[in-house]
Formats: sequence, structure tokens, C-alpha cells
Amino acid sequence: QPVLTQPPSASASLGASVTLTCTLSSGYSNYKVDWYQQRPGKGPRFVMRVGTGGIVGSKGDDIPDRFSVLASGLNRYLTIKNIQEEDESDYHCGADHGSGSNFVYVFGPGTKVTVL
Amino acid sequence: QVQLQESGPGLVKPSETLSLTCTVSGGSVSSGNYYWSWIRQPPGKGPEWIGYIFYSGSTNYNPSLKSRVTISLDTSKNQFSLKLTSVSAADTAVYYCARDRGENYSLDCWGQGALVTVSS
Repeated sequence: QPVLTQPPSASASLGASVTLTCTLSSGYSNYKVDWYQQRPGKGPRFVMRVGTGGIVGSKGDDIPDRFSVLASGLNRYLTIKNIQEEDESDYHCGADHGSGSNFVYVFGPGTKVTVL
Repeated sequence: QVQLQESGPGLVKPSETLSLTCTVSGGSVSSGNYYWSWIRQPPGKGPEWIGYIFYSGSTNYNPSLKSRVTISLDTSKNQFSLKLTSVSAADTAVYYCARDRGENYSLDCWGQGALVTVSS
């Protein structure tokens, strides 16, 4: 099963852009990844899924257009443009692996985004 | 709009069984092509997938927890439940119930979470 790696922290000034990275372990370059936003004290909220060709399906409910995704090699990126105070959150990535009785879902450790 | 709400004891003694229920409103657990899932998040750590039950009743669990976990469906109450046996302090976490999108396993509907502390 894949292992997902994320840097522990990132920051951006209000109105600037920030790109978050989720790195899949070797051998899983064709895997799709889900991005989740988790505001302080709240449960995760689905942002969108990203595959090798970009977004897969639609964004989660009420996710602003400021959020976008890209992929390159083992990396899956979430970019937040014109970052706002309400975007200050932990961002986790997740991926499913296998099917049927071999199915598992794994999460990355998360990146804490601070808006300066 | 589907909504999920976890409920259950907030304190469980070591070696005992953790039991949580997720009540679903705005949708039925027995219809559609959905996986009803449990995820937990220890304090200060990332989420951990526990497992799911499909609307048909089939289940799948995280291999690391498989020997201790049971997820079940109660269609009469429109609920699904989690039981985790032989708990220890390492099982202290916020427990979330969630539902996937249907066309893939992205978890796009989550409960607010329930903190369960394992302590004597």
C-alpha cells in the first residue's frame, strides 16, 4: 500500500498563494489522492480528488475556486490562491489501495497552513 | 443533504470495548452505492482509516485493527456502529463516521467527531 508524505507546515501572507505537496511512495505514480481540509477543532472536509491528469470529478461542497490541484510524478499538489484567513487549517491527503477484501485507505500526516 | 452524528461513551476503561453509533439523517444507510466508514484521529496526529460497511452489509477493515473491530448496520434505526475490543490508551482518539461520494471512495460527508478517552 502507498505511504503518503507531507511537509508538516506551510505559510503564506494574506492574499498570496501557497502550494501543498503530498508525495506518494515509490511505485504508486498512477494513484489518485484526496485532499481534505481540517479547520481547528473541526472534522475533515473533502476538498477534491487529484489524479495524474488533474482534478477527478468535482470539488467538495462549497470549496472556492481559489483551490486547485495538479500532479507530477509521485507528487500531488493542492494550490490555494488569494489565501484567506478561513483557509488556515490542517490539510491531509488520502488514497485508496486495492479492492474488495484487500481495500485499504491511507492518510498522510497533514500540513498545517498558517496565514500570516 | 446527508448528515452524520456520532454518539457513545466518552470514557472507556482499558481492556474494555469501545462502542460508537453513527446516526444518519437526510439519507438511508440501506440505499444507494455508498460505503459507511469509521476514521479516527489521535490527538495531534493524522487520521487513521478504521474500516467501512457497504450498504449491502459487507465490511472491510484496516489490517492493523482487523482482529478487534466490528462495524455493523442497523437499517431500522438508520444507523451504523463501531465496536473496538480490548482497548488501550493508544486507542484514545476523536472518532469520525463518514460516507463516500458513491462514484469513488473520496470521503465527502463527515460527522463532527466524538472524543473517546481510554483511561482507568
